[in-house]
Amino acid sequence: EAGVAQSPRYKIIEKRQSVAFWCNPISGHATLYWYQQILGQGPKLLIQFQNNGVVDDSQLPKDRFSAERLKGVDSTLKIQPAKLEDSAVYLCASSREGYGYTFGSGTRLTIV
Amino acid sequence: KNEVEQSPQNLTAQEGEFITINCSYSVGISALHWLQQHPGGGIVSLFMLSSGKKKHGRLIATINIQEKHSSLHITASHPRDSAVYICARETSGSRLTFGEGTQLTVNP
Repeated sequence: EAGVAQSPRYKIIEKRQSVAFWCNPISGHATLYWYQQILGQGPKLLIQFQNNGVVDDSQLPKDRFSAERLKGVDSTLKIQPAKLEDSAVYLCASSREGYGYTFGSGTRLTIV
Repeated sequence: KNEVEQSPQNLTAQEGEFITINCSYSVGISALHWLQQHPGGGIVSLFMLSSGKKKHGRLIATINIQEKHSSLHITASHPRDSAVYICARETSGSRLTFGEGTQLTVNP
């Protein structure tokens, strides 16, 4: 089966600019996650979707971050405006109950 | 205190050595995951455990539910095993909480 697809792989933007990431999960995986991983740390959950509904967005900085999964398949994560501390790897993952998790390759975001 | 604690943070070994990475967690789980992350950033799922022991090739994962502790062992380590190994606990609602990771370097 195809893996979790993410794009872009790398992105460099200036602070205060906006950026968007895209994720296509594994077909049939109802749950989709966006994680932020700062260098040297473990991933931190930003938002969890079940189909096209939000299950958990308690750690999403909603003043600047937004995410959607309109048709319950692909998802986009947006940051506007970006801050220096947003430099991180943004990981998308999907899961199906009882079958574990599959992670994408991540997007490495650098804010300059 | 992190909800998921890993040790050691960094580990350097010689090729062929037996390696152990430890993980402790503070609350009950539905499953415990071991993940591998290479420098490019992508994460690969190695094991999902809810009890006992699992083996895949040279990798072995064990879990003690009563002690809230899991270990990942690598036998006959090889330089290609060099990566960050991350422990994550899964709780209800399919929520993962990750440890900080263990950076493993295996020298030839």
